[in-house]
Amino acid sequence: AQKVTQAQTEISVVEKEDVTLDCVYETRDTTYYLFWYKQPPSGELVFLIRRNSFDEQNEISGRYSWNFQKSTSSFNFTITASQVVDSAVYFCALSESLSYGGSQGNLIFGKGTKLSVKP
Amino acid sequence: DGGITQSPKYLFRKEGQNVTLSCEQNLNHDAMYWYRQDPGQGLRLIYYSQIVNDFQKGDIAEGYSVSREKKESFPLTVTSAQKNPTAFYLCASSIISSSGANVLTFGAGSRLTVL
Repeated sequence: AQKVTQAQTEISVVEKEDVTLDCVYETRDTTYYLFWYKQPPSGELVFLIRRNSFDEQNEISGRYSWNFQKSTSSFNFTITASQVVDSAVYFCALSESLSYGGSQGNLIFGKGTKLSVKP
Repeated sequence: DGGITQSPKYLFRKEGQNVTLSCEQNLNHDAMYWYRQDPGQGLRLIYYSQIVNDFQKGDIAEGYSVSREKKESFPLTVTSAQKNPTAFYLCASSIISSSGANVLTFGAGSRLTVL
């Protein structure tokens, strides 16, 4: 069965430190998509990235970078030079293909990692 | 600005009462969703709808009902049959894609507490 594991429940860092949030997933599908969302204290989830299973290139967007490794079923997220505004709960999620029983918008979420960045 | 509006932000109800959470979007998205979030847990899908007057159950639909009379609106009713209704409820919307791996836009959520 599909599953997303975020083993780090909470992480606390000091501003300007680099931090990596881990995500390990399980799926039998060969075509799937992985997501990261940020949930600030205000509550709404904000989309960060979507990656399909055929694209293993690492992605960098400003201070954010993602490392996708199919061999270890991981999709880790690194924030470089963290800032206080990065404090939030971060969710990793998995979506299986429609042909494999996935459904529109039915993301399988991990339990989230709460990141606290202190000044 | 386009977005999703959920109301109310906080809601209290007594056991045995039904309550309806509102969700409106002006993004012209075809698909809308309701997710439930419990403390320290990920989100779980309650219901979703891809077109007006049609909707499908998600993983935890028992004790909930929805309607989709307008493209912009997707209200969720938490009925008295829901055993543990206290939770944070998030509404989302998206375009419909052939892959199904849609990028969801979320509202700010409604926090329901049963007294």
